[in-house]
Amino acid sequence: EDQVTQSPEALRLQEGESSSLNCSYTVSGLRGLFWYRQDPGKGPEFLFTLYSAGEEKEKERLKATLTKKESFLHITAPKPEDSATYLCAVQAYDNFNKFYFGSGTKLNVKP
Amino acid sequence: ETGVTQSPTHLIKTRGQQVTLRCSSQSGHNTVSWYQQALGQGPQFIFQYYREEENGRGNFPPRFSGLQFPNYSSELNVNALELDDSALYLCASKPTGSYEQYFGPGTRLTVT
Repeated sequence: EDQVTQSPEALRLQEGESSSLNCSYTVSGLRGLFWYRQDPGKGPEFLFTLYSAGEEKEKERLKATLTKKESFLHITAPKPEDSATYLCAVQAYDNFNKFYFGSGTKLNVKP
Repeated sequence: ETGVTQSPTHLIKTRGQQVTLRCSSQSGHNTVSWYQQALGQGPQFIFQYYREEENGRGNFPPRFSGLQFPNYSSELNVNALELDDSALYLCASKPTGSYEQYFGPGTRLTVT
C-alpha cells in the first residue's frame, strides 16, 4: 500500500539554525512528490514538485531534494515566519487521481 | 492567493444531520479534489472530479458524495453526520495538464 511518513513530528529551532525535514515514501511508481506549507487553520500552500531521483528545487531559504525512497526539505537560516506545518504528498502512476499525504512536520522557529 | 474559495468558513451541525460544503476554483481548473483533515493529521483524500464525473475515491463511505459543475464550482455533501466527521474540509483544484493542485482555505466542520 502506498504510504508517506514524515519525521520529525515537531521541530523547534532557533532563528538561524539550519535543519532538514524528512519525507519517506512507499509508492508503486512515483509520478510526483509535492511539498506544501500549512499555517494554522488555513489550506496548504504549494511549495515544490519533484519528479525524479536527484532532482532539487529551491525557494528562498527552502531546498527540496529527492531520492528513490525519500525527500528532504532543507531549511537554511530559518526565520520565525518560517514557522508552519510542512506537508509532503506523493502521487503514483498507477493511481494518479490520488494524492497521499504524510502527517506533516510542525516547525517552530524561535527568535 | 490560489484562486480557490470555499464556503462557509465554519459550520456547526448536529449528529445525524446533512451538510453541503462549496468550492469555487479558477477557470481552466477542470479537476477538483476534496480532502478531510483531522486535527494534527495530514489531509485524507475523499474523492476527485474531472469534467463533472467522479474519477477517483479514497476510503470514505458512500454518505460522502460530491458534484462538480461546468462553472468550476463543486460541492461536497455528507449525510448522516457523525462526531468523527468533525474536521477541516479542503478543496483543491488542478489546471488541465498540470500535476500540481492548489488548495482553498478550507471549511471547519464541527459535529456535536
